[in-house]
Amino acid sequence: GENVEQHPSTLSVQEGDSAVIKCTYSDSASNYFPWYKQELGKGPQLIIDIRSNVGEKKDQRIAVTLNKTAKHFSLHITETQPEDSAVYFCAASIGGGFKTIFGAGTRLFVKA
Amino acid sequence: EAQVTQNPRYLITVTGKKLTVTCSQNMNHEYMSWYRQDPGLGLRQIYYSMNVEVTDKGDVPEGYKVSRKEKRNFPLILESPSPNQTSLYFCASSPRLQGGYTFGSGTRLTVV
Repeated sequence: GENVEQHPSTLSVQEGDSAVIKCTYSDSASNYFPWYKQELGKGPQLIIDIRSNVGEKKDQRIAVTLNKTAKHFSLHITETQPEDSAVYFCAASIGGGFKTIFGAGTRLFVKA
Repeated sequence: EAQVTQNPRYLITVTGKKLTVTCSQNMNHEYMSWYRQDPGLGLRQIYYSMNVEVTDKGDVPEGYKVSRKEKRNFPLILESPSPNQTSLYFCASSPRLQGGYTFGSGTRLTVV
């Protein structure tokens, strides 16, 4: 079946460094790729998304890149801050529809 | 405030005792979905709805039922809960087919 693989499962960086989280997907019909941030005790929150007709999207310190040929997409966080510490999930739409599959998550630690 | 409201936040129940987790959104969103979150598995879609009276199975629908009689409400029903349904459950809504979700705060369910 369709799946989304996410790496790494845990990432520790120094404050001010960059963090990169990578995901690969299996469904070639996927065309929508959101990223969510989940803080302790809360529901996931959408932080950025990208559609298949775009290769890169940036929002302040956060950027996402998409390579449709290779079926992978990545989240880049620059100038990390302690408040960036959270679990991050990538996701992909399935068959171009509403069904969505999430990666297993990456726990990011930003050390002050 | 625009939000998705789930109730209850915490629930401990016994095997076989029917329960309902309620979900309501005040954003007039067409699309709603239920996810369960388990350690190391990310979020897995249980059911989703694309409009009133339109629902479909996600990846892990066994043991669950849903209904969408009104646009704002999307309850999750466990007719005969079992211990393997112990999990953290999230309801989410979206305004369009490929729009990011707004998640509720979660319901932590324990079945003993």
